[in-house]
Amino acid sequence: GDSVTQMEGPVTLSEEAFLTINCTYTATGYPSLFWYVQYPGEGLQLLLKATKADDKGSNKGFEATYRKETTSFHLEKGSVQVSDSAVYFCALWKNRDDKIIFGKGTRLHILP
Amino acid sequence: DARVTQTPRHKVTEMGQEVTMRCQPILGHNTVFWYRQTMMQGLELLAYFRNRAPLDDSGMPKDRFSAEMPDATLATLKIQPSEPRDSAVYFCASGFDRGNQPQHFGDGTRLSIL
Repeated sequence: GDSVTQMEGPVTLSEEAFLTINCTYTATGYPSLFWYVQYPGEGLQLLLKATKADDKGSNKGFEATYRKETTSFHLEKGSVQVSDSAVYFCALWKNRDDKIIFGKGTRLHILP
Repeated sequence: DARVTQTPRHKVTEMGQEVTMRCQPILGHNTVFWYRQTMMQGLELLAYFRNRAPLDDSGMPKDRFSAEMPDATLATLKIQPSEPRDSAVYFCASGFDRGNQPQHFGDGTRLSIL
């Protein structure tokens, strides 16, 4: 079945470091791909999305490119801030499905 | 901005008690999802509805959990009787069933069963 695999955390970085959180997926057809972020005490919220191969989603300095050849959607940010500390979820959605399939989440700690 | 509203935000109760969690989806959304989040299992889909009809509750323990949508503005998740292993954060999310629009999550109900 369809699935999403993302790197296990926690990931701990210093402020202004470069961030990569890996995400790969398994799915038939042509899914849309998402990154959600969960801040402490809150629900998940959409960070960025990409709907077709080679699309790049971006928001708040974060970027991810839909790579169909490697079935990947890695999240990157050039210079992280303490306020980026959160749990990040990679997810996929297929056309005509209601459900979004989430990865297990990666906890990110940014040290000042 | 429109938001998904969940009540209560926190609930502490003793084992064996009935627990009811409520969710008000965003007006106009026609799909509603219930998730459970724990440290060990991560985010699990318990059940979801489209146009108030239950479509999939395979993630839910049937003997003690029930989910309903009495009307378009209210979704409920009940646990009876509750057990300590039910302690978790329960999230409601709503969205559309067309296109690739994202789900919108509430802030969750943090449930502790003693």
